[in-house]
Order: sequence, then C-alpha cells, then structure tokens
Amino acid sequence: GENVEQHPSTLSVQEGDSAVIKCTYSDSASNYFPWYKQELGKGPQLIIDIRSNVGEKKDQRIAVTLNKTAKHFSLHITETQPEDSAVYFCAASSPGSGNTGKLIFGQGTTLQVKP
Amino acid sequence: DAGITQSPRHKVTETGTPVTLRCHQTENHRYMYWYRQDPGHGLRLIHYSYGVKDTDKGEVSDGYSVSRSKTEDFLLTLESATSSQTSVYFCAVGEAGKQETQYFGPGTRLLVL
Repeated sequence: GENVEQHPSTLSVQEGDSAVIKCTYSDSASNYFPWYKQELGKGPQLIIDIRSNVGEKKDQRIAVTLNKTAKHFSLHITETQPEDSAVYFCAASSPGSGNTGKLIFGQGTTLQVKP
Repeated sequence: DAGITQSPRHKVTETGTPVTLRCHQTENHRYMYWYRQDPGHGLRLIHYSYGVKDTDKGEVSDGYSVSRSKTEDFLLTLESATSSQTSVYFCAVGEAGKQETQYFGPGTRLLVL
C-alpha cells in the first residue's frame, strides 16, 4: 500500500524567512496531495492541495510543488510569520482503495517561526 | 470546521469499558471518516462511511466499530477500551466526487486508564 514519509520532523525559522517541508510517496498511482495545518488543540485545516496533472500551485504565501517522476512533493511558505507556527501534515491519496477517498498521512512537521 | 462537531471533546474512561464517540455534520456530506492521531504516526484511518449504513475498515480498525444510521451522524465505538486506544480522534467529511478533499472536526481527546 501507499506510504508517505515527511521531513523534517521539526523546523525552526526566523520570521520573514522561507520554510520548506518535503514528502515522498511510494505509489506512483497516487493522484491527489493535500497539505494540512494543525494548530494546538484544533483539528487539521486544509491549506492547499495539488493533483497529479499539475506541477505547482500557489496561494498567496504558500505553494506546493509536485515531482511525479521522483514521487515527492513539497510545501513552500514564504515570508513566514509567527502565526504560521503549527504542525503541518502532508497526505497522498491511496489509489488501491478504489473511489473511497482514503488518504495516507505523513508523520507531521512542527514549524516554529521565531519573531 | 465545515459544520462538523464532535462529542464529547474530552473523555477519561477505564480499561474494559465501552466508549462511543459521535461525529455530527450539517452539510450533507456523503463521505465520513474516523482517524486517530498519535505522536510520530500522523493521522491513521480507522473506519469510513460512503453512505448511510455503508461503512468499511481503514488501516487501524481492530477494536473499533462504527455505525451510520443518518447522513449527519457517524459513531465510533470502542467495545472494550484499552490503554493503547488513548489518542486524539478526528472525524472528517468529504463530498461525493471529491471525497479525498477532506475537512476535519475539532477532535476528541480520549484517555483510557
């Protein structure tokens, strides 16, 4: 089945710097890759997603890139702000599960933005 | 939270007791999911539903059962709680045709003593 690896597990940056979180997946048939942000005590919030027919997607300060050949995708946050501090999760669709919408999640990255 | 509520939000119980967690949604989503979140494991799928009375197992379903008698409610039951089921439980919803695009509820923190 699908496996998703996420790195790094923790990331500390200065306010205004960029942050990059990387994920690799194992099943080349996966075709949907969402990113979630989770603040302390809250549920994961979908912040951006990308499908396999697109190489890059941007939404203001965040962007996601996908390299299907290498089977990895990355979240890029520019001009980081203290409110970006949270745990970020990547996920990949599980193609062997039919049309169920199953997602396989990475282990999470704790991002700390220092003022 | 995409109109999702979970109850209770916190629960402490003892080993061997049954526990039921409730997920309620107000936006008529066809697909509903139960995940557990543990340090170092991200989110893992327990069970999911693709319609009323239609459910199936996820990757960590042992010790859990689910029921969905109405579109808006998806119940997760721990028949006999164990300490290994101490976790944070999240419900998520997805709409038909885009069910992999999932929106999560606020979670239930469960402690099994």
